[in-house]
Amino acid sequence: LAKTTQPISMDSYEGQEVNITCSHNNIATNDYITWYQQFPSQGPRFIIQGYKTKVTNEVASLFIPADRKSSTLSLPRVSLSDTAVYYCLVGDWRSNYQLIWGAGTKLIIKP
Amino acid sequence: DADVTQTPRNRITKTGKRIMLECSQTKGHDRMYWYRQDPGLGLRLIYYSFDVKDINKGEISDGYSVSRQAQAKFSLSLESAIPNQTALYFCATSDSGSSGNTIYFGEGSWLTVV
Repeated sequence: LAKTTQPISMDSYEGQEVNITCSHNNIATNDYITWYQQFPSQGPRFIIQGYKTKVTNEVASLFIPADRKSSTLSLPRVSLSDTAVYYCLVGDWRSNYQLIWGAGTKLIIKP
Repeated sequence: DADVTQTPRNRITKTGKRIMLECSQTKGHDRMYWYRQDPGLGLRLIYYSFDVKDINKGEISDGYSVSRQAQAKFSLSLESAIPNQTALYFCATSDSGSSGNTIYFGEGSWLTVV
């Protein structure tokens, strides 16, 4: 199973673009990269998933280089409500039960 | 209404008591999970079930048991609660089909064992 490394915490200001990078050096061929967001005392919520290159949805973008050994979650124009913990997960979604949830990155947005 | 509903949301129980956390889902998913989260840490898998007749132990199953009463219902039991089982518990679901890349979580159940 691919282990991920991401910063323990980050802070930024409202209106800025925030990029959170995750490294996963031993990612396997069938592994996808998935990011979840968790607010205090709530269950994690799916943000975005990708396999390679770039994926964009209504809330975020995910950039994955050709070697797939890292990925970057990009949150455009953050607001105070984006303060949360962000988890980077790597694995084959068909084996969701094997996903390893690290401590995530605690993102604090300041006014 | 939430797609994944957990009851109770909060419970305080005494050491040695049996406690059950219940989970129901309306997403029609076949896979269900129970996770535990301790403060400042990530989630750890307790048990998972791929269908009604399938139950599997996760990373930290000792001291817990589960029952998959129906496709939509998955309950977690602590047969004899102990203080270090104080944590936030999450039920989750996913689909085994092509859309199975997303895990949907309930709102969590805070359990305190005193």
